[in-house]
Amino acid sequence: GENVEQHPSTLSVQEGDSAVIKCTYSDSASNYFPWYKQELGKGPQLIIDIRSNVGEKKDQRIAVTLNKTAKHFSLHITETQPEDSAVYFCAATLYNNNDMRFGAGTRLTVKP
Amino acid sequence: EAGVAQSPRYKIIEKRQSVAFWCNPISGHATLYWYQQILGQGPKLLIQFQNNGVVDDSQLPKDRFSAERLKGVDSTLKIQPAKLEDSAVYLCASSFLPYNEQFFGPGTRLTVL
Repeated sequence: GENVEQHPSTLSVQEGDSAVIKCTYSDSASNYFPWYKQELGKGPQLIIDIRSNVGEKKDQRIAVTLNKTAKHFSLHITETQPEDSAVYFCAATLYNNNDMRFGAGTRLTVKP
Repeated sequence: EAGVAQSPRYKIIEKRQSVAFWCNPISGHATLYWYQQILGQGPKLLIQFQNNGVVDDSQLPKDRFSAERLKGVDSTLKIQPAKLEDSAVYLCASSFLPYNEQFFGPGTRLTVL
């Protein structure tokens, strides 16, 4: 089955800096890669996703890149703000299969 | 639009006791999921319902866990008897259709002593 590894486990940046979180996956058949943000006491919330037919997707300050050959994908947050502080999870799955495999999460802290 | 509702938010029990969690999905969402999130890990799918039928329960420990969605709306997840390793946050999610975006509830934090 799919195995997703996520790095780093914790990340601390200064407000205004960029943050990058990286994930690798094992199943070359996976073709859908969502990213979730989980704030304290809340459930995960989808913030951006990418399918394997594109290499990059951007939404305002958030972008995701995908390297299918190397089987890794990354989340990029620019101009970080304190409200970006949360735990971020990557996931990988086949698009027609909702059994998403999640990474272990990255705790991002943005210091004012 | 109201989100996914879960109750209780917190539960503390002793091992070998039973516990039940309740989930009310977003109105009109046919697909419902239960996840287990152990501290420091990502969520793991336990069971997926499409209306009131089970689509996938391959990762549900069926000797102690059970779930139902009798009328295709609300769902309950039960653990009987609980073990120490069941301590986790249990998340419920729903989507309009399979393969659509999943919306998560706030979760129930279970502590087994």
